[in-house]
Amino acid sequence: DGGITQSPKYLFRKEGQNVTLSCEQNLNHDAMYWYRQDPGQGLRLIYYSQIVNDFQKGDIAEGYSVSREKKESFPLTVTSAQKNPTAFYLCASRLAGGIYEQYFGPGTRLTVT
Amino acid sequence: AQKVTQAQTEISVVEKEDVTLDCVYETRDTTYYLFWYKQPPSGELVFLIRRNSFDEQNEISGRYSWNFQKSTSSFNFTITASQVVDSAVYFCALSEAEETSGSRLTFGEGTQLTVNP
Repeated sequence: DGGITQSPKYLFRKEGQNVTLSCEQNLNHDAMYWYRQDPGQGLRLIYYSQIVNDFQKGDIAEGYSVSREKKESFPLTVTSAQKNPTAFYLCASRLAGGIYEQYFGPGTRLTVT
Repeated sequence: AQKVTQAQTEISVVEKEDVTLDCVYETRDTTYYLFWYKQPPSGELVFLIRRNSFDEQNEISGRYSWNFQKSTSSFNFTITASQVVDSAVYFCALSEAEETSGSRLTFGEGTQLTVNP
């Protein structure tokens, strides 16, 4: 089945540790996105990538890093510099070349203590 | 800068009632795109509809309908004869053209809809 996978569903880390969230898609989509959702709030854009080996900062990129070495993969690293990393992280992808809706993965809920 | 406002934080209705979720947006672009997504308790966002700024035609899909009015910068969503399965958080989102912003989405804060039996 085509879709977007994010693993794991729940992730726990100690403060001061970097952690990488996985996002894989087999939809042959060109663009990929990372959003953060805090309780009772909308989604905010962290990073996005429209093509392999290229990515742009979103509204809240500080404390995060990404890579896009393969079209189907867009991992997000939450570094120790991120002051409030506990949140729900959603990955999305989209066909480029027009305005197409973004399709979302199931999300990863990260808890840092 | 773009902005999306969903003034209704929570709405509670009884099954079979009609309910309208409001969405007001701000953008300086003449070309833009509006979306509605549904987020059930599982957390994954489900795409419902896309509308571009040049198409003000209202749309109906089963029990769902959308009313887009550029004059008031609104893109409201109505569920007719609501059902318990409609309970979810609904997000309205706005996107500029791909060339200028990579089609990044700006989301409203969402409306929690609870449909009681």
